[in-house]
Amino acid sequence: NAGVTQTPKFQVLKTGQSMTLQCAQDMNHNSMYWYRQDPGMGLRLIYYSASEGTTDKGEVPNGYNVSRLNKREFSLRLESAAPSQTSVYFCASQPGAGENYGYTFGSGTRLTVV
Amino acid sequence: ILNVEQSPQSLHVQEGDSTNFTCSFPSSNFYALHWYRWETAKSPEALFVMTLNGDEKKKGRISATLNTKEGYSYLYIKGSQPEDSATYLCAFTMYSGGGADGLTFGKGTHLIIQP
Repeated sequence: NAGVTQTPKFQVLKTGQSMTLQCAQDMNHNSMYWYRQDPGMGLRLIYYSASEGTTDKGEVPNGYNVSRLNKREFSLRLESAAPSQTSVYFCASQPGAGENYGYTFGSGTRLTVV
Repeated sequence: ILNVEQSPQSLHVQEGDSTNFTCSFPSSNFYALHWYRWETAKSPEALFVMTLNGDEKKKGRISATLNTKEGYSYLYIKGSQPEDSATYLCAFTMYSGGGADGLTFGKGTHLIIQP
């Protein structure tokens, strides 16, 4: 009964380093999303995947890439981390092909870039 | 970029009192409006998904209404309890051909219930 699992929970990177945030769901959901949460801002959409094999840019995609490896997994990659990417990252999923189901969120990854 | 506004930003309510807050969103090409409850140190949890003008949803002491023509939704909490303390998020999406393309979230209303 895991739901959406994100790893790691915490990470500190130096400017210019790369890393991949992992997300996996075990609910057979079709759509998956990556959001970032910054102080004073709402959750902002980075990338999403409406179904296995498809990915699309959200509101703030610059500096990120994604892979929908299979139906379960949706990873977010930072190729060259910048301090502006310090944030809390949330992965979410929902069963449908449109936004007519509630999202299930992971527990978040707190990333600090120094 | 869609604009989803929530008010008030924060709210202090006495235990036992009822309260409500507002979410405003663009009224054109409406598809769905979501409400989430986000407790400190946890992840957002879905409360309601509303898709039809005039929709009313209820879960225990919490209910929500939707007016898509004027672009607003209200969340009501009846008889507030300390466990209702949380940030309440609303999120909106427009119709874009039927496929998933993500939600635009408001900044939330931070609710504190005082014993």
